[in-house]
Amino acid sequence: AQKVTQAQTEISVVEKEDVTLDCVYETRDTTYYLFWYKQPPSGELVFLIRRNSFDEQNEISGRYSWNFQKSTSSFNFTITASQVVDSAVYFCALSEGAQKLVFGQGTRLTINP
Amino acid sequence: DAGVTQSPTHLIKTRGQHVTLRCSPISGHKSVSWYQQVLGQGPQFIFQYYEKEERGRGNFPDRFSARQFPNYSSELNVNALLLGDSALYLCASSLQGAVSGANVLTFGAGSRLTVL
Repeated sequence: AQKVTQAQTEISVVEKEDVTLDCVYETRDTTYYLFWYKQPPSGELVFLIRRNSFDEQNEISGRYSWNFQKSTSSFNFTITASQVVDSAVYFCALSEGAQKLVFGQGTRLTINP
Repeated sequence: DAGVTQSPTHLIKTRGQHVTLRCSPISGHKSVSWYQQVLGQGPQFIFQYYEKEERGRGNFPDRFSARQFPNYSSELNVNALLLGDSALYLCASSLQGAVSGANVLTFGAGSRLTVL
């Protein structure tokens, strides 16, 4: 079965620092999709990025960047020059079959002013 | 445009009672999925419905059931509530039934259920 591990339960940094959130996954599928979601205190999960297993290109979107490495089964997320508004719980997720996502335990990120 | 809307936002029930949670997907989305998120954990898949048919079911007891209506809205029902059912119940909608590159789940803000 699919498994997603986010080993960092909580991270606290000072504003403007760079921070990396780790995600390691396990799957036997050859085709799969990886996702990152942000969950602010309001509760809804906000989609950040989707990656398919055939595309190992790293991606940058503003202050956010993602590093996908199939060799180590990792899909890490870096926030550059963090801001207080980045404070949230971040989830990494992996597709299982066609119907569902398997989520990691989440990393609570706190950005202190 | 309205996102995924869920109701009620908060509710308190006692053990043994029944609860119905409702979800309205984004206009044009035909698939609805339900996830349970216990405090401090990641969401866990409960059901997926597409075109009013159940397409997937997670590892939850038969006390959990759901359905999708012709307008693509959905209900999640939980019978004989247990303390362990206390959680945030998230609904997500998507255009199609398959989790694929073109099909991203958009989540609602959830219904927070407390069982006393």
